[in-house]
Amino acid sequence: KAGVTQTPRYLIKTRGQQVTLSCSPISGHRSVSWYQQTPGQGLQFLFEYFSETQRNKGNFPGRFSGRQFSNSRSEMNVSTLELGDSALYLCASSPVFSQGANTEAFFGQGTRLTVV
Amino acid sequence: AQSVTQLDSHVSVSEGTPVLLRCNYSSSYSPSLFWYVQHPNKGLQLLLKYTSAATLVKGINGFEAEFKKSETSFHLTKPSAHMSDAAEYFCVVSDQKAGGTSYGKLTFGQGTILTVHP
Repeated sequence: KAGVTQTPRYLIKTRGQQVTLSCSPISGHRSVSWYQQTPGQGLQFLFEYFSETQRNKGNFPGRFSGRQFSNSRSEMNVSTLELGDSALYLCASSPVFSQGANTEAFFGQGTRLTVV
Repeated sequence: AQSVTQLDSHVSVSEGTPVLLRCNYSSSYSPSLFWYVQHPNKGLQLLLKYTSAATLVKGINGFEAEFKKSETSFHLTKPSAHMSDAAEYFCVVSDQKAGGTSYGKLTFGQGTILTVHP
């Protein structure tokens, strides 16, 4: 089985621009989560999607948004980029129980975003 | 709300000696707990998970962890360190809502960097 695939692996953007990151989950996994990893704040949860619906959201400003498509692929968008948005963005996919609960998460390699 | 505290930011061991990475958690419900490892410039790899079955959990690459509810701990151990174990390790708790359903949110500890000396 192929793992979680994130594209692109590296991005350099200018302050004020917007960016879209893509994540393809493991085949059969319907839950996709996004995390931001920075040296200062560590790993922080952004949001989670299941069956094209956002079920959970972390404490990030509205500039951070996401969506999930019918094939479970997900994108996250950051608008009006700030220098502080420079980070490794990790996507994770999970199988779910019949009740909708997640099991363990499988992570992609991440997208390294640098804002200059 | 859940939280995780990794008690050591750095651990240094010699190759062939035991590894102990300490983790305490806080959870209002029965938690699911995980250990992940991250090698430089890589994503996160699951080492092992606890989901209310056996309290001693065996993972990949010889790692294991013991869930101790009375101590709210989930320490990671390995009998003999290998050079390839050098990495950053994260203790993680799964956010559980009332009724035991988690909705994708993992809460990470701050990480422990493991250094292995020859």
